[in-house]
Parts: sequence; C-alpha cells; structure tokens
Amino acid sequence: QVTLKESGPGILQPSQTLSLTCTFSGFSLSTYGMGVGWIRQPSGKGLEWLANIWWDDDKYYNPSLKNRLTISKDTSNNQAFLKITNVDTADTATYYCARILGGPWGQGTLVTVSS
Amino acid sequence: DIQLTQSPSSMSASLGDRVSLTCQSSQGIGNYLSWYQHKPGKPPKPMIYYATNLADGVPSRFSGSRSGSDYSLTISSLESEDTAIYYCLQYDEYPNTFGAGTKLELK
Repeated sequence: QVTLKESGPGILQPSQTLSLTCTFSGFSLSTYGMGVGWIRQPSGKGLEWLANIWWDDDKYYNPSLKNRLTISKDTSNNQAFLKITNVDTADTATYYCARILGGPWGQGTLVTVSS
Repeated sequence: DIQLTQSPSSMSASLGDRVSLTCQSSQGIGNYLSWYQHKPGKPPKPMIYYATNLADGVPSRFSGSRSGSDYSLTISSLESEDTAIYYCLQYDEYPNTFGAGTKLELK
C-alpha cells in the first residue's frame, strides 16, 4: 500500500524559509520511473503545481515562484523535501505531496504565513 | 504555459444522470492529461490518467475520452458520492498546469 504524509511548521513569519517533508512508503524513489511532486491549494482556490523530483534526481519547478523553490530527496529514508524561501502571506495554503502518475496524494499540511 | 479551460465551472445533476465534464487545452498535449476528484477535507484523488485510463480503485462508471484538444470526464450514472470538485492536469510540459475545476453538485 502506497502512503504519503506531509509535515511542516504550521505557521511561520513573512521572509522566513518554509521547509516541508514528505515521508512515504510502498514505493522507492530509487526505482526507475518513480517521482514525487508537490502541489498547493490556498483556501477556497484551485490547485497549483510546484515541483517534481524523479528517481534519477531530475528536478522541475514552477517558474511562477521565481527561483524560490528547492526540491530534494533522501532515498534511504523514503523522504522528499521542498523548501520555499522568502515566504509571503500569498504562500498560505495546504501543501500536498503526491506520487507522480497514479498517486495517491498525502493528506496535506496547512501552512500559514503571518506576522 | 499551457492553459486548461474547464467547463462548466459548476453544474448540478440528478442521481442516475449521465454527466460529462470538459477540459480544453490551449495547445497539444497528446494524452498527457489526468483527472482528480476533490472532496472537502480530503486530498485530491486520481481518477483518470493518460486521458483514458482508469486509476486503481475508481468505479467503472467513470471514463475519460479525448477529441483533439478537448478532454472529457464522463460519469455514466451519477451517484451521491460523486459530488466533488473535479480538476484536470496536463503533464505534457513543464510547468504542469491544472484547470480551474468543475464543481459538481446534486440537483
């Protein structure tokens, strides 16, 4: 059974760096063709794709976030990470990680940026 | 970026109705389109991948199709548990992009 779970700080202040962790089981990010993606959803709004990382360490980012994103993985511990620098209130959202192409998605973690 | 236009933005239908939701792409994406069902308080659930393939565990009343740059998600006989917001996603090019969603309600 494939499961993913996101963890994050819950709340942080503007200009800080948001660090998110996705801990998964049931598959390996060292397996050919596997990938993990990050997606977010501000309250009451639609879904926004953020970044993907693949088994071969290929990484892709949403350019709308202007180089603020860094995605990485720890294959040994079945984890993927996303960092967003210089956060603003507009980054307040529920953040999901998902196994690419077939899912599932994690339950999501709510991140609030507030002073 | 590739734009996905979903229509309608919202709709209501009766139990047992055949329902079709549409997602139109601004440029060619082949079959690299998936559909997700999103209910309040739950994560989005993959329904269809590669335009026409049913994801694991999805009831057979759901189906996906493609006509040119128009993609459809069809529910052959609407059940109450199908009320949700449905999103399409293109993964042919980066950045991957989602449609704005279609809210499906019971009449």
